[in-house]
Amino acid sequence: GEDVEQSLFLSVREGDSSVINCTYTDSSSTYLYWYKQEPGAGLQLLTYIFSNMDMKQDQRLTVLLNKKDKHLSLRIADTQTGDSAIYFCAESLGATSGTYKYIFGTGTRLKVLA
Amino acid sequence: DAGVTQSPTHLIKTRGQHVTLRCSPISGHKSVSWYQQVLGQGPQFIFQYYEKEERGRGNFPDRFSARQFPNYSSELNVNALLLGDSALYLCASSSSDRGSTGYTFGSGTRLTVV
Repeated sequence: GEDVEQSLFLSVREGDSSVINCTYTDSSSTYLYWYKQEPGAGLQLLTYIFSNMDMKQDQRLTVLLNKKDKHLSLRIADTQTGDSAIYFCAESLGATSGTYKYIFGTGTRLKVLA
Repeated sequence: DAGVTQSPTHLIKTRGQHVTLRCSPISGHKSVSWYQQVLGQGPQFIFQYYEKEERGRGNFPDRFSARQFPNYSSELNVNALLLGDSALYLCASSSSDRGSTGYTFGSGTRLTVV
């Protein structure tokens, strides 16, 4: 099936680390993504990870992938008030069908407290 | 460099009317996809076009149609609008049909059906 799940809310204090979790169901996913959406805006690609990797670090962002458990997480170090937004996890499907589409989670609203 | 541009940014239509949304991909990008994002949810895949051919469509009724032009820009058309069509419509482009390194999204067109 095609389903991506995320927790709805996360609140952290400025300077702390944030960890946003995601589970997906389709084991054929080749790439997994994290997008950020600020109020009234489109989606901004933060980072992505290939399915044969288990970790990727990009400045303050660390992505961990547990392919066995179909679990993806995004860690934001030294969280700032500008990080307050909705974060979407997405899996890429299409290697077998030829239609390349993303399946998005419902999004996690991150609130950073000053 | 211009990103993905969508027009109009906001639109109000009456039930039963027809609407056309427009998208210009990043220069050199040949793949365009359309997503619908209802308030409080993650984006849902509507269509993918690559090299002016439809590569796939999501679980949307035939009232939804799209096309891609020789310059790779795209239109999304929705006929016989329903209240439930109210949403943010996002266009995304990629240089490849697989979007492996991530689709770039536009800021969207917010459609309100009254």
